Amino acid sequence: GQNIDQPTEMTATEGAIVQINCTYQTSGFNGLFWYQQHAGEAPTFLSYNVLDGLEEKGRFSSFLSRSKGYSYLLLKELQMKDSASYLCAVRDWANRDDKIIFGKGTRLHILP
Amino acid sequence: DVKVTQSSRYLVKRTGEKVFLECVQDMDHENMFWYRQDPGLGLRLIYFSYDVKMKEKGDIPEGYSVSREKKERFSLILESASTNQTSMYLCASSLEWINTGELFFGEGSRLTVL
Repeated sequence: GQNIDQPTEMTATEGAIVQINCTYQTSGFNGLFWYQQHAGEAPTFLSYNVLDGLEEKGRFSSFLSRSKGYSYLLLKELQMKDSASYLCAVRDWANRDDKIIFGKGTRLHILP
Repeated sequence: DVKVTQSSRYLVKRTGEKVFLECVQDMDHENMFWYRQDPGLGLRLIYFSYDVKMKEKGDIPEGYSVSREKKERFSLILESASTNQTSMYLCASSLEWINTGELFFGEGSRLTVL
């Protein structure tokens, strides 16, 4: 089966750094995504990791450890517009089906 | 830019009605998906399709069916709507799996079943 866990809510201060963790269990891991979703809008792609290590893209970085079934999304220099839900999603190759399964999302609140 | 268009942003239907949710993408993507999103449950995969006339069940296919007669269009069908199908429905598409498989989402269709 598949299981993806991430915190339900987090709060951080404008200008600070926040790390959102995601742990997963899948039968056929084939990559991990992070998506951002503002309230009332569709999710938008942030990052994709398939190999261990850190991927940096501007203020956002994503880390993956396949042996630990663990990823995190790091947001630096937080801005008010970063208030959103952050969705961890795993690409799972199981039973010859390649599909993307989402966690429940982490709602991030940014305080001024 | 990739554009995924869902036909209706808001729908209100009655229990037992047949409901069609349409999704069209304009980037010649092979893969298309239907998810529903509910508070506290996140995005859950209903059905997906790798090619025309192909369909695969996701994690919660019960009460739903799909149709993919053309590559650009993927329809979700609720044969007999029930109140527990009140939800936000999100369509997505992606390129071949040889790429990252990044999903491009439509704006969503919020369905209320009375």
